[in-house]
Amino acid sequence: DAGITQSPRHKVTETGTPVTLRCHQTENHRYMYWYRQDPGHGLRLIHYSYGVKDTDKGEVSDGYSVSRSKTEDFLLTLESATSSQTSVYFCATTGFEGLQYFGPGTRLTVT
Amino acid sequence: EDKVVQSPLSLVVHEGDTVTLNCSYEVTNFRSLLWYKQEKKAPTFLFMLTSSGIEKKSGRLSSILDKKELFSILNITATQTGDSAVYLCAVNNDMRFGAGTRLTVKP
Repeated sequence: DAGITQSPRHKVTETGTPVTLRCHQTENHRYMYWYRQDPGHGLRLIHYSYGVKDTDKGEVSDGYSVSRSKTEDFLLTLESATSSQTSVYFCATTGFEGLQYFGPGTRLTVT
Repeated sequence: EDKVVQSPLSLVVHEGDTVTLNCSYEVTNFRSLLWYKQEKKAPTFLFMLTSSGIEKKSGRLSSILDKKELFSILNITATQTGDSAVYLCAVNNDMRFGAGTRLTVKP
């Protein structure tokens, strides 16, 4: 699992509230990713980071922002949560050999 | 637009059967293709393929890449109920995933 933790693991929030999910890694990997997983869609990339303060958008970035102020932490923020953002969110890193490792996931429910 | 397509989307077999899962891709700057197995939690890594025609094997699982025809297959022989999972492929340029194949192995 490459020492990847996510917090919180479960969250229920109301529409319109801000939400921040945290991904923490202990492997000093340069690349970090945020995905969402929904039935029928597999894993879809939201944002990724290729270094401290270096981030880029993925295929489903609307409504999400990210920040990476330290190598080990990658934050995903929903500025104003909507019901369509109810999903399971996975953080991942890419190791030096090119393999991707996943965190345990965060189940977010927006009511 | 880059895309990764897996087929079939779901598959039901009986123990002992052999299955072949497909992953085709159209991406720019291809680097590698990865296969993952996902049960109830996070995906776990199976194979990483970078070169055409070289089979990777791990027990009853094997995979091969065809960079000319832009696809990969994942074979599972002598399936067991523990093989039941969603199998995902991803292309490692921007880590784009396919929708996955849900495999169910019945006793």
